[in-house]
Amino acid sequence: DTGVSQDPRHKITKRGQNVTFRCDPISEHNRLYWYRQTLGQGPEFLTYFQNEAQLEKSRLLSDRFSAERPKGSFSTLEIQRTEQGDSAMYLCASSPSGRAGEQFFGPGTRLTVL
Amino acid sequence: RKEVEQDPGPFNVPEGATVAFNCTYSNSASQSFFWYRQDCRKEPKLLMSVYSSGNEDGRFTAQLNRASQYISLLIRDSKLSDSATYLCVVKDDYKLSFGAGTTVTVRA
Repeated sequence: DTGVSQDPRHKITKRGQNVTFRCDPISEHNRLYWYRQTLGQGPEFLTYFQNEAQLEKSRLLSDRFSAERPKGSFSTLEIQRTEQGDSAMYLCASSPSGRAGEQFFGPGTRLTVL
Repeated sequence: RKEVEQDPGPFNVPEGATVAFNCTYSNSASQSFFWYRQDCRKEPKLLMSVYSSGNEDGRFTAQLNRASQYISLLIRDSKLSDSATYLCVVKDDYKLSFGAGTTVTVRA
């Protein structure tokens, strides 16, 4: 299967701890996106990469959040000093160049902050 | 005001019925529109793009009304497998804005 993969699928952590998630996009896609989804809501845009360049960060992404995409392949999303309000599903998506509307999502990482 | 607003439903319909629902968007300059489908506890998947002239994909018909800034989706001859949450999506540049979704349940 050559779809988008995310790791871990579930993460339970205590408030104040740091967590890091990984996303492996579809190999030929140069665009990568991170979203956050809470129960009963649609995904909310967090950040976007074109190749290795991070081109936009949502104002939802506080300074406790950082994302990287070294070498334009996989991406990591780190949350420092987690808070209970960070509990959500974190979704990664990728798309080919020129087709940003056709995003392929990974299965997500469900974060629970106790 | 949210960028994309949808009737959350749920729409509970029998197999074979037709169901239709709308969403509205706030940015009149938005150019591209989509419907995504999300099954329970799964990731969203692209269902179809929405074109200005309206378009069909099998049993699914999407319409766009730019003047009123709303998008509709109609499902004909509903199947049990159509049970899902349907997300209305607006694309501005590279960013997708999702509605909260409309839940459809098709019963036997």
